[in-house]
Amino acid sequence: NAGVTQTPKFQVLKTGQSMTLQCAQDMNHEYMSWYRQDPGMGLRLIHYSVGAGITDQGEVPNGYNVSRSTTEDFPLRLLSAAPSQTSVYFCASSYGSWDSPLHFGNGTRLTVT
Amino acid sequence: SQQGEEDPQALSIQEGENATMNCSYKTSINNLQWYRQNSGRGLVHLILIRSNEREKHSGRLRVTLDTSKKSSSLLITASRAADTASYFCATDEVSNYQLIWGAGTKLIIKP
Repeated sequence: NAGVTQTPKFQVLKTGQSMTLQCAQDMNHEYMSWYRQDPGMGLRLIHYSVGAGITDQGEVPNGYNVSRSTTEDFPLRLLSAAPSQTSVYFCASSYGSWDSPLHFGNGTRLTVT
Repeated sequence: SQQGEEDPQALSIQEGENATMNCSYKTSINNLQWYRQNSGRGLVHLILIRSNEREKHSGRLRVTLDTSKKSSSLLITASRAADTASYFCATDEVSNYQLIWGAGTKLIIKP
């Protein structure tokens, strides 16, 4: 049982480049979300989805896009990378939304130079 | 915005001792959750406690919730080296159904 799978594990981008962080879950969870984790801070919600075809913004959505065409996949797109987007990115899924335990992927460590 | 704040920021204890970490929050909540994060890995869910519950146990973990003080504590009894990790609390506000995370407590268990 794979759970939540994130790829790639590491990525280095130059300022202005774009890329997509992949996230897939095999638990048939309706709710998926993307967080960023910066040193000394809690997780901050970027975007989330409560089901296929439905997405919404979290606390820090600027510079990121998402789509949810299937229940399983929830990719995060960086449109034009900036050094401020250097962070560790986590994808999470859950059966419900706020009152269900989240299942996390192992993260993508992104460096923007 | 940071709803939950863990205390202490870091804690170092001997193996076998108990570890207590606290989480304070600012507004009314539906639930409070505790997660563990091992270095370089994703977060793992430990316990969810609802606002109408006062205490919950899971193995060596005991979580309490005091809604009047807007605080929660996580107690790990008989600590082991494998408990070395960062521990985070997350709350969902009644009026805003988004999880808000604290900055975490880094726990080190010395052999």
